[in-house]
Amino acid sequence: LAKTTQPISMDSYEGQEVNITCSHNNIATNDYITWYQQFPSQGPRFIIQGYKTKVTNEVASLFIPADRKSSTLSLPRVSLSDTAVYYCLVGQSNTGKLIFGQGTTLQVKP
Amino acid sequence: DTEVTQTPKHLVMGMTNKKSLKCEQHMGHRAMYWYKQKAKKPPELMFVYSYEKLSINESVPSRFSPECPNSSLLNLHLHALQPEDSALYLCASSQDTGQGGNSPLHFGNGTRLTVT
Repeated sequence: LAKTTQPISMDSYEGQEVNITCSHNNIATNDYITWYQQFPSQGPRFIIQGYKTKVTNEVASLFIPADRKSSTLSLPRVSLSDTAVYYCLVGQSNTGKLIFGQGTTLQVKP
Repeated sequence: DTEVTQTPKHLVMGMTNKKSLKCEQHMGHRAMYWYKQKAKKPPELMFVYSYEKLSINESVPSRFSPECPNSSLLNLHLHALQPEDSALYLCASSQDTGQGGNSPLHFGNGTRLTVT
């Protein structure tokens, strides 16, 4: 089972770039890495997904090194509304289960 | 607004009641999921349906009974719950169960359940 490890919490200021790193040492060959954002009393929302190298969309970038044992979610120029919990989720190709790690609580300050 | 609709938004039930949670999606997704989330904890996987068949049961107590009447609907039947079952129950769907999680999850906003 590919377990994920993320920092429990991070603080940032408006306008800064935020990088959240997730470790997944036991990731299997076929597993994808997906990041979700969750606000209080809402369901998690898909942010970005990747398999290797770099993926970018309109809200974030995802950097995955060649060994795929970690990944970094990059949020450019955060605002107060980016305050949320961010989860890194690694697919479990051997079991089909999608298990959430502990998540990172990001607090953006003015 | 999300593309996965869960009803009711809030539910209070006694330990002897029977109630059901409902989830609906019209994205043509063929995989549907139930997760349970306690305060300040990550969502915990409960059940997975793939093509309307139960494919994963994470050793959930029998007082929780899932049902998938068709590809758009997912129910969670509740009976004889305990106060510790109080939580946010999240439904999610994905295009299919995917290979290595390459099919992202789309979540509803959950049902906040309180068991008294």
